[in-house]
Amino acid sequence: DAGVIQSPRHEVTEMGQEVTLRCKPISGHDYLFWYRQTMMRGLELLIYFNNNVPIDDSGMPEDRFSAKMPNASFSTLKIQPSEPRDSAVYFCASSFPPDQTQYFGPGTRLLVL
Amino acid sequence: RKEVEQDPGPFNVPEGATVAFNCTYSNSASQSFFWYRQDCRKEPKLLMSVYSSGNEDGRFTAQLNRASQYISLLIRDSKLSDSATYLCVVNGAGNQFYFGTGTSLTVIP
Repeated sequence: DAGVIQSPRHEVTEMGQEVTLRCKPISGHDYLFWYRQTMMRGLELLIYFNNNVPIDDSGMPEDRFSAKMPNASFSTLKIQPSEPRDSAVYFCASSFPPDQTQYFGPGTRLLVL
Repeated sequence: RKEVEQDPGPFNVPEGATVAFNCTYSNSASQSFFWYRQDCRKEPKLLMSVYSSGNEDGRFTAQLNRASQYISLLIRDSKLSDSATYLCVVNGAGNQFYFGTGTSLTVIP
């Protein structure tokens, strides 16, 4: 298996632009997680899905952030409009109970100017 | 109060040394505990799970103290390749997991 796939790997955009991050989980995994990592706050859970259904989005910072999982093999995290404080590394991870190991993708490094 | 707290370090130790990290958690109902390793500019990867009775994997030993609500990671005979950030992970409600901010380790030749 190729592991969790994320795209793009790097994104540089200007404040106010829309940003879309993409994730393909490991085949057969029914949990998908979106995290944001910064030096100041560490790794923060934004939202997670089970069987394509959002379970907990309490970590989503504000209405500018939205996430979807239209099918078992694809999820998106969208920021509209983007702001400089959104600059971070965004990770997607997937897991398959009862194994609680989360397998992370390589991350998307986002810089908002 | 944060769900999980770790000493950020950095820990700088010579090769061959033994080093230990602690991590405290706030939710006494937590049932699952893990240590992840994250190399510079890479994604986190599972290092080991932490079981109630403690567990060992080669040079690595993990322990859980439920009474004091902390978990620990002991690394013996440190190698240069152990240099990384070590993240403590604790489960919360549902299938949500909380990550500590990480402890940075540098093993010096």
